[in-house]
Amino acid sequence: KQEVTQIPAALSVPEGENLVLNCSFTDSAIYNLQWFRQDPGKGLTSLLLIQSSQREQTSGRLNASLDKSSGRSTLYIAASQPGDSATYLCAVRPGGGGSNYKLTFGKGTLLTVNP
Amino acid sequence: GAGVSQSPSNKVTEKGKDVELRCDPISGHTALYWYRQSLGQGLEFLIYFQGNSAPDKSGLPSDRFSAERTGGSVSTLTIQRTQQEDSAVYLCASSFPPSAEQFFGPGTRLTVL
Repeated sequence: KQEVTQIPAALSVPEGENLVLNCSFTDSAIYNLQWFRQDPGKGLTSLLLIQSSQREQTSGRLNASLDKSSGRSTLYIAASQPGDSATYLCAVRPGGGGSNYKLTFGKGTLLTVNP
Repeated sequence: GAGVSQSPSNKVTEKGKDVELRCDPISGHTALYWYRQSLGQGLEFLIYFQGNSAPDKSGLPSDRFSAERTGGSVSTLTIQRTQQEDSAVYLCASSFPPSAEQFFGPGTRLTVL
C-alpha cells in the first residue's frame, strides 16, 4: 500500500527566504506526482504535475523535482511571500494499468511566510 | 463554468439524518472523483466515475455512502443516517482524460452534531 509522507508538518519562514518542502513515497511505481496548495477553508489548487518520466517541473517561483527511484519529491519556493502561506500537499498516482487514477495524498506541510 | 463547483459549501446536520452533496465538474471532463478530508486523516479517495463505465466504489467507508452521476456530468454523494465521524470536508475533482491532472472544487464542509 502506497504511503506518502511530508516533512516538515509545519514551517515558518521570513519573507524573501528560499525554502524546500519534502515529499516521500513508499512505492516507486508511480504514474505521476502532483503538488497542490490549499488555503484555509478552500479546495485544492494544482501547482505542478510531474510525470514519472520527468525529473522536474517549473512554474514561476516554484520548482518541483522527482526522484522516482528513491521515492522522493521536493517543492522549491524561491523568494517566498506572505501570499505563499498555505498548506502544501503532494499526491501520487499509481503506475500500471487498471485503477491507476486514485491519488494518495500526504498530510501536507503548513507554510507560514512572515512579513 | 470555469472550474469544479460544489454545493452546499457548508452543511450542518443532526446525527441520523441523510445528506446530499452535489458536484458540478468542469465541462467536458469525463472523469469525476470524490475525496474526503478529515481532521488529522488527510485526504482519502471515496469513489471514481469515468464516462459510462461502472464506478469504482472501493473507497466508500460504509454502505451508508452512495454516489451517482447523471448524464455523465453532475454527481451527488449521499450519506444516509449520518454519524459524527462523517464530519469532514468532502472534495470533488474532475479530469480529462482520466490520466490528466485532477482539478478540485472548493469542497463541502459537513458537520454532524
